[in-house]
Amino acid sequence: KAGVTQTPRYLIKTRGQQVTLSCSPISGHRSVSWYQQTPGQGLQFLFEYFSETQRNKGNFPGRFSGRQFSNSRSEMNVSTLELGDSALYLCASSLAPAGEGYGYTFGSGTRLTVV
Amino acid sequence: TQLLEQSPQFLSIQEGENLTVYCNSSSVFSSLQWYRQEPGEGPVLLVTVVTGGEVKKLKRLTFQFGDARKDSSLHITAAQPGDTGLYLCADPRGGTSYGKLTFGQGTILTVHP
Repeated sequence: KAGVTQTPRYLIKTRGQQVTLSCSPISGHRSVSWYQQTPGQGLQFLFEYFSETQRNKGNFPGRFSGRQFSNSRSEMNVSTLELGDSALYLCASSLAPAGEGYGYTFGSGTRLTVV
Repeated sequence: TQLLEQSPQFLSIQEGENLTVYCNSSSVFSSLQWYRQEPGEGPVLLVTVVTGGEVKKLKRLTFQFGDARKDSSLHITAAQPGDTGLYLCADPRGGTSYGKLTFGQGTILTVHP
């Protein structure tokens, strides 16, 4: 059974640019969430989608956005990149949203470096 | 927002030693998950504990959920270099925010051969 696939694995962007990251969840999983991981802040929740609807959003500026497609694949977009956006971006999928007794399966992440 | 405090932040031990990692909160957990993350990879779910006082074992790993469901511990017996990684506790309900995992800051464990 294929795991959660995130592309690309590594990305280098310049300040002010925008970036789109992709996540393909485990087949049958309808909940997809995104997290940002940095050494200083740890793992922080960005947003969660279930059946194409954003059900929850973390405390990040509006430059961070996402969407989920009918096949449950998800993308997140960051516009006007800042140096502080450099991080490991992790996608996780689950049969149902967290809190309903299901664990999340994480992808290997996309390492974004903003220069 | 529920805050999860993990201790210690860093742990460096020799192969064969035992260790315990702690996760505490000022609020009651509905349930708690433990993850392990290796460098360059995403976190991997180890266990979910739900009932106060619950003890779960996964080979050499023992997970305990406090009676009051405000704390949890992870004990590793006879640690091996393969246990090296970042151990994270997470609240799957995220406090009042459904569908969100709130993570502790993690414990970085290094097991030396």
